[in-house]
Amino acid sequence: EVQLVESGGGLVQPGRSLKLSCAASGFTFSNYYMAWVRQAPKKGLEWVATISTSGSRTYYPDSVKGRFTISRDNAKSSLYLQMNSLKSEDTATYYCARQNGKGRYYFDYWGQGVMVTVSS
Amino acid sequence: IQLTQSPSLLSASVGDRVTLSCKGSQNINNYLAWYQQKLGEAPKLLIYNTNSLQTGIPSRFSGSGSGTDYTLTISSLQPEDVATYFCYQYNNGYVTFGGGTKLELK
Repeated sequence: EVQLVESGGGLVQPGRSLKLSCAASGFTFSNYYMAWVRQAPKKGLEWVATISTSGSRTYYPDSVKGRFTISRDNAKSSLYLQMNSLKSEDTATYYCARQNGKGRYYFDYWGQGVMVTVSS
Repeated sequence: IQLTQSPSLLSASVGDRVTLSCKGSQNINNYLAWYQQKLGEAPKLLIYNTNSLQTGIPSRFSGSGSGTDYTLTISSLQPEDVATYFCYQYNNGYVTFGGGTKLELK
């Protein structure tokens, strides 16, 4: 059974940093692209970052580019999101998600999510 | 690519055939998926590549469409289908989600 378990969320002041983790199990982690997707309270979904199987390629939308860094440790089947210079608009539930497909990727499994609140 | 879902709120009765719409601002080339999100839960993949049913999803869910216009159909609405449904396009590198359709029981 595919399982994705996020951790590391919490309350953080604007301008500070936070690092999220995602522990994966039930599949060969190193074979899949992985991603983070967020959802602001009572809002829609927004893709935040994607990382290739080896970790050599990463992709971000403009809203977080230069502030967020996605990384992975295939030996530990773990995914990370380093968030710097946090803003109030980064307040959201952050989901770790597995990506599937050939060349173009959809999210096929999601974690339960972790809440990040950016507030003074 | 911007995705517009309609309606934003849909009320239907158990047993009804329900149709949800998703329209892209550009051609999506069938790289369109549908997700179901129940209150307090993570999204769940229902359909990918426009009309491929994800493993374990009931056959009452189906997807169709092409170009810029896509549809999710529930052939016979069940109480457990109450949720918000999001479409998602992955035709280009900047992937995007629709704003969602909230489905409730009448």
